[in-house]
Parts: sequence; structure tokens; C-alpha cells
Amino acid sequence: DTGVSQDPRHKITKRGQNVTFRCDPISEHNRLYWYRQTLGQGPEFLTYFQNEAQLEKSRLLSDRFSAERPKGSFSTLEIQRTEQGDSAMYLCASSSKSTSTDTQYFGPGTRLTVL
Amino acid sequence: DAKTTQPNSMESNEEEPVHLPCNHSTISGTDYIHWYRQLPSQGPEYVIHGLTSNVNNRMASLAIAEDRKSSTLILHRATLRDAAVYYCILRDGSSGSARQLTFGSGTQLTVLP
Repeated sequence: DTGVSQDPRHKITKRGQNVTFRCDPISEHNRLYWYRQTLGQGPEFLTYFQNEAQLEKSRLLSDRFSAERPKGSFSTLEIQRTEQGDSAMYLCASSSKSTSTDTQYFGPGTRLTVL
Repeated sequence: DAKTTQPNSMESNEEEPVHLPCNHSTISGTDYIHWYRQLPSQGPEYVIHGLTSNVNNRMASLAIAEDRKSSTLILHRATLRDAAVYYCILRDGSSGSARQLTFGSGTQLTVLP
């Protein structure tokens, strides 16, 4: 399967702990996005990379959140000092700069539960 | 990105056509109309997009009103696997515009056997 993959698929943690999620985009895609989705809502944008450069960050991305894409391939999203409000599905998507309409391909998501 | 309005939910019978409406009265000339859907426990998946003309692909058809203030996603023969939340999204196609998708709440489609 050459789609977007995310790891882990599920994560349960205690409040105050740090968590890190990984996203592997489609190999030839140079754009990578992180979204967050809570129950009953559509996904909300968190941040966007083009190659290794983080070009845009949402106001939702508080100081406790950090994302990296060190070599322009996989990306990690870290949440420090987790809070119960961080419980959500974290989705990664990738797209290719070569297409003008920028179709995004999503991974299956990482479901985070903060106890 | 301009805002879209969709019904919260719709029902369809299996093997019948489904027309999912979307209103986008404040659409600008450079906004593309995109549709994504999200099946249960999965990430969203691209369905179709268009600018002015009607579009067809293997998954669906997109009918765009002449004034572009509304559009309709058409599933020609709904199957149980089409049960999902369908999102209508406007994205500015001009260079330098924001790349992210702005999702609303979408339409929950239920397909009845």
C-alpha cells in the first residue's frame, strides 16, 4: 500500500504526559498537513509543510504542540503536557505541488485519548 | 476560504441515485469546489472537484450551478459502502493562497438496504 500511513493508530495517555505521532506521506508528495478532528466535527487544520519548511500554523497549534518534517519526508507531531481537551483524532494528509488543485490524501489517523 | 452550507443528514435507498446539495453563495471567481467524504473510522478521501463545468469521474458527478452559488454531488447508484459524511469545500486556486482544507460539518449520508 503506497498511501499515507500514521503511527500509532491509537494512543492512550495520562494527563501531563508527552506524546509523539508519526506520519509517512505518499513518497513523491512534497506537501504535508496535520489536522485534528473531534467527535461530530469536521477536521480542523493544524499545520502545513512544503518539503521541510513549516509554512503555516493554525492558532489551534498552542505552544504545547510542535511539528517537524526534518528531511522533507516523514513528519512528527508532538504534544507536550497533554490535557484532556487534546483528546481527538489527529489526521495527516499529503499532496503534490505539481497539481494545481492540490488534492489531499489522508491517512487513517491517530486517535488520542487523554485520561 | 468562503463558507459552504450543507444539510446535516440525508437518507437514500440502496441502488438509487443520491443528490447531495451544497450552497456557497459567497464563492469567488478563483474558488474551486471540492468534495471529500469520510467513511466511519477512516480519514477523509477525495471524491471530485470542479470550477465551472460539470465533472464526472468513476466515483461521482458534480453539477455546478451556472452562477456557481450552489453545487450538487451526485452518486448515481448508492451502495451501503457510500454511507459516509460528505464535505463540500471551497479552495482558492490562485497561487499563494492557503493550501489547507477548511471542513464544515458535512452531510451524514445514510444508505438504507
